[in-house]
Amino acid sequence: GAGVSQSPSNKVTEKGKDVELRCDPISGHTALYWYRQSLGQGLEFLIYFQGNSAPDKSGLPSDRFSAERTGGSVSTLTIQRTQQEDSAVYLCASSLLAGVVTGELFFGEGSRLTVL
Amino acid sequence: DAKTTQPTSMDCAEGRAANLPCNHSTISGNEYVYWYRQIHSQGPQYIIHGLKNNETNEMASLIITEDRKSSTLILPHATLRDTAVYYCIVRPSGGSNYKLTFGKGTLLTVNP
Repeated sequence: GAGVSQSPSNKVTEKGKDVELRCDPISGHTALYWYRQSLGQGLEFLIYFQGNSAPDKSGLPSDRFSAERTGGSVSTLTIQRTQQEDSAVYLCASSLLAGVVTGELFFGEGSRLTVL
Repeated sequence: DAKTTQPTSMDCAEGRAANLPCNHSTISGNEYVYWYRQIHSQGPQYIIHGLKNNETNEMASLIITEDRKSSTLILPHATLRDTAVYYCIVRPSGGSNYKLTFGKGTLLTVNP
């Protein structure tokens, strides 16, 4: 596709359930990022992929959060045993190259997660 | 990482220039200044970036002071569609230069 695609756009779940959020980056982009944005807040960095490997997972808030990327393309962010504080918009971004100082990030529209 | 300081909100009349300031007094010599914006319910969008020289593209101009401790993003003829949160970001150098840290930004409201 022309841009970064995320699904689902909206997800409502019950506390304790697991959720999976998907990101399709722009074709050919080697770097992929997940951010989280809580209501009224700035973006919080979660994880960065270069190809299929994740050299920086430092932003994942707990071991309930995990992410993988396969084939250097699609990424899935999984949240296990969701809690109400996990409610946020989860944003995915990709860039053509990482480690290049001028690399522009292209963001998707986000997945809005609501945990009841 | 160098921190940035931006006003919480600003207003601008439609058709006038919007000048958004940003302070980044701890920026180091090889760190770039980036600007992104986020329109309501959308993902952030890249606007412009610069190191030392002033930059201009089809969206905006970026003016960086000679000491690089502050910068101004200029939207020359603001429209209602420019209403958004504008983020000023100092991109780290070296091994962490993939990591953009977004603060709370400036909410620019363009009024008719």
